[in-house]
Amino acid sequence: DTGVSQDPRHKITKRGQNVTFRCDPISEHNRLYWYRQTLGQGPEFLTYFQNEAQLEKSRLLSDRFSAERPKGSFSTLEIQRTEQGDSAMYLCASSFGQGEEDTQYFGPGTRLTVL
Amino acid sequence: SQQGEEDPQALSIQEGENATMNCSYKTSINNLQWYRQNSGRGLVHLILIRSNEREKHSGRLRVTLDTSKKSSSLLITASRAADTASYFCVPPFSGGYNKLIFGAGTRLAVHP
Repeated sequence: DTGVSQDPRHKITKRGQNVTFRCDPISEHNRLYWYRQTLGQGPEFLTYFQNEAQLEKSRLLSDRFSAERPKGSFSTLEIQRTEQGDSAMYLCASSFGQGEEDTQYFGPGTRLTVL
Repeated sequence: SQQGEEDPQALSIQEGENATMNCSYKTSINNLQWYRQNSGRGLVHLILIRSNEREKHSGRLRVTLDTSKKSSSLLITASRAADTASYFCVPPFSGGYNKLIFGAGTRLAVHP
């Protein structure tokens, strides 16, 4: 399967701990996105990479959040000093970059529970 | 940027019935995408309709777009239990980079 993969699929942590999630996009895709989704809501945009450059960050992304995409391949999203409000599904998506008709392909997500 | 607003918020039907979901948006668009999210396959792109298309079909899906009313509809014919999912309409981001702005979606439940 050559779709977007995310690891881990589930993460339970205690408040105050740091967590890191990984996303492996479809190999030929140069764009990579992170979204966060809470129960009953649609996904909310967090950040976007084109190749290795992080080109946009949402105001939702506090200083405790950091994302990287070294060498323009996989990406990591780290949350420091987790809070209960960080509990959510974190989705990664990638795309080829076709202007306004670009289709994003989503991974299965990482479900974070902060106790 | 803008998001689509789906209506109704929730829809419950029996297998074999048709399901219609509506979407409204605020500013002019060049295209509109529909995505589906369920527990089995996650969030997937269903269909894209361009502003110069009034209707588009894909299997049991029929999407319409009325740019004068800034609205779209998604019709699923002969629904199946596997169609149970949340459906989102997503206008393109007007400022570049194509980030998607999702609304709350329509939660469709198809009962056997």
